[in-house]
Amino acid sequence: GAVVSQHPSRVICKSGTSVKIECRSLDFQATTMFWYRQFPKQSLMLMATSNEGSKATYEQGVEKDKFLINHASLTLSTLTVTSAHPEDSSFYICSAWDRGAGNTIYFGEGSWLTVV
Amino acid sequence: GQQLNQSPQSMFIQEGEDVSMNCTSSSIFNTWLWYKQDPGEGPVLLIALYKAGELTSNGRLTAQFGITRKDSFLNISASIPSDVGIYFCAGPPNTGNQFYFGTGTSLTVIP
Repeated sequence: GAVVSQHPSRVICKSGTSVKIECRSLDFQATTMFWYRQFPKQSLMLMATSNEGSKATYEQGVEKDKFLINHASLTLSTLTVTSAHPEDSSFYICSAWDRGAGNTIYFGEGSWLTVV
Repeated sequence: GQQLNQSPQSMFIQEGEDVSMNCTSSSIFNTWLWYKQDPGEGPVLLIALYKAGELTSNGRLTAQFGITRKDSFLNISASIPSDVGIYFCAGPPNTGNQFYFGTGTSLTVIP
């Protein structure tokens, strides 16, 4: 079964509103989670690294005030797309770093965001 | 985040052919991971490698952790249509708090 759960899987919102996507690690504690954006037929684009209890580290070109990341617990990180616009429509994916014996990253199922 | 050098970028092959792809890094890695992503879904872990020289199989997939610890290889034997997708490598270098990802290899299998 999935070890990282992402919700919602699909969301449609109106332009100008905000939408929150959740990423939960189910079987392990994750001090580090990652958020990606993916355009059709392209590879994953890392947006930010989410660190539990501290501020997220954003990649160059990603607006931190627009893509708010909160990692308040060891099993939950959230991405909030604020004042969404149609160009924010995309596939967003999270992953969580299991630093246990496996030292592995597990990905969520992804969230399709459509801004109308 | 830093990306790993992954090649080839894309492959178009006939069903039944074997596939090889690789990742290289300028840093030494302690772990190499290989994932497959189907369209519209999150990537799924295929194989995890933890020791230099390690060779691990998962069905028709075989991956190897390079001796130099700076590269890894993924092979798919006797490809089938459901192998279609994007494959990418990933791993943490032995220092720092980052997880690096390959740029991905898009595989198309022609029946």
